[in-house]
Amino acid sequence: IAGITQAPTSQILAAGRRMTLRCTQDMRHNAMYWYRQDLGLGLRLIHYSNTAGTTGKGEVPDGYSVSRANTDDFPLTLASAVPSQTSVYFCASSERRASSYNEQFFGPGTRLTVL
Amino acid sequence: AQSVAQPEDQVNVAEGNPLTVKCTYSVSGNPYLFWYVQYPNRGLQFLLKYITGDNLVKGSYGFEAEFNKSQTSFHLKKPSALVSDSALYFCAVRLYNNNDMRFGAGTRLTVKP
Repeated sequence: IAGITQAPTSQILAAGRRMTLRCTQDMRHNAMYWYRQDLGLGLRLIHYSNTAGTTGKGEVPDGYSVSRANTDDFPLTLASAVPSQTSVYFCASSERRASSYNEQFFGPGTRLTVL
Repeated sequence: AQSVAQPEDQVNVAEGNPLTVKCTYSVSGNPYLFWYVQYPNRGLQFLLKYITGDNLVKGSYGFEAEFNKSQTSFHLKKPSALVSDSALYFCAVRLYNNNDMRFGAGTRLTVKP
């Protein structure tokens, strides 16, 4: 069982370029999430999806978009990257309908550098 | 909105000694509280959670945490630290039926032989 996979592992990107971070889970979890991790700030929620076909905004959604066409995939897109989006990005999933008390399972992360 | 504070950036303990990693929270309702651990270049791994009931929660790898409502705390503890416990620890809080999980800034635990 792979759990959650993310691609790419790392990426260096020129400012203004478009970038999609991929996330796939094989646990059939309904809920999925995208976080960014920055030193001294912990993890902050960017977007989430309770189930396929629905998405919602988290704490820091500006500059990012997501889609959830099916249960397994939850890509995160930066339409026009800026240096402040340099971060480590984690995808996560949990059972059921984003139920508050279910723990989340995290992918290995994508390290993104925007120059 | 809910928030979490981890007052210590770094905690150092000797192997075999007890360890405590502190966490306090601020919410307007009943919280769901979590601890996660992150090893270098890895994603977060779930350790334990408090939902309701017994204030002392036991989790993976011998860790436990005590929910204290009056002090709004959820400190992580282990009776005897191992060198392999060295990692980054995150406390998180979530409200019922709320998608927003708020994480603390993290505490780096170093266990020395």
